Amino acid sequence: NAGVTQTPKFQVLKTGQSMTLQCAQDMNHEYMSWYRQDPGMGLRLIHYSVGAGITDQGEVPNGYNVSRSTTEDFPLRLLSAAPSQTSVYFCASSYSGAGTGELFFGEGSRLTVL
Amino acid sequence: GENVEQHPSTLSVQEGDSAVIKCTYSDSASNYFPWYKQELGKRPQLIIDIRSNVGEKKDQRIAVTLNKTAKHFSLHITETQPEDSAVYFCNAGGTSYGKLTFGQGTILTVHP
Repeated sequence: NAGVTQTPKFQVLKTGQSMTLQCAQDMNHEYMSWYRQDPGMGLRLIHYSVGAGITDQGEVPNGYNVSRSTTEDFPLRLLSAAPSQTSVYFCASSYSGAGTGELFFGEGSRLTVL
Repeated sequence: GENVEQHPSTLSVQEGDSAVIKCTYSDSASNYFPWYKQELGKRPQLIIDIRSNVGEKKDQRIAVTLNKTAKHFSLHITETQPEDSAVYFCNAGGTSYGKLTFGQGTILTVHP
């Protein structure tokens, strides 16, 4: 049982490049989400999904796209990276989309945009 | 949606002292209140949670109390140890379906 798996763990991009952060969970959780964490800013919600085929915006969605074609996978896409997107990204999943259950986090992906 | 405020943003204590972190929430219908601990360079992990039908919950040196009337809940750590040094986050769930936001976090430092 791997839990929540994120790849890559580290990535350096140049401004304007695109990339995808991968997230997979093997707990059959309906709810998946992406957060970014900046120093002194806590965890801010980017996008979330309450089930396959359903996605919605969080607090800071601009510059990011997501899709949820399967229950297991929830990739986060940066279409044209900007230095402001330098951050640590966490994927999280839960059996409860209503926020009434534990969130399980991946190990995080540290992204630097030059 | 739910708005969660967390205080203090930093907390420094001596080993053996107690530490208290408080969160206030805006939606009286919220019914699940977890606390997460994030050690340096690691992922956040749940350490304790409480549901709205309970006023207090304890697990060894940590406890969470809930005041539904005042709409706040607190994390209490007794007999603090250096390994308690971390960032702690609170969350209030049950009303904003899917849009789960966190408090701003508290950096706890326990000095030996």
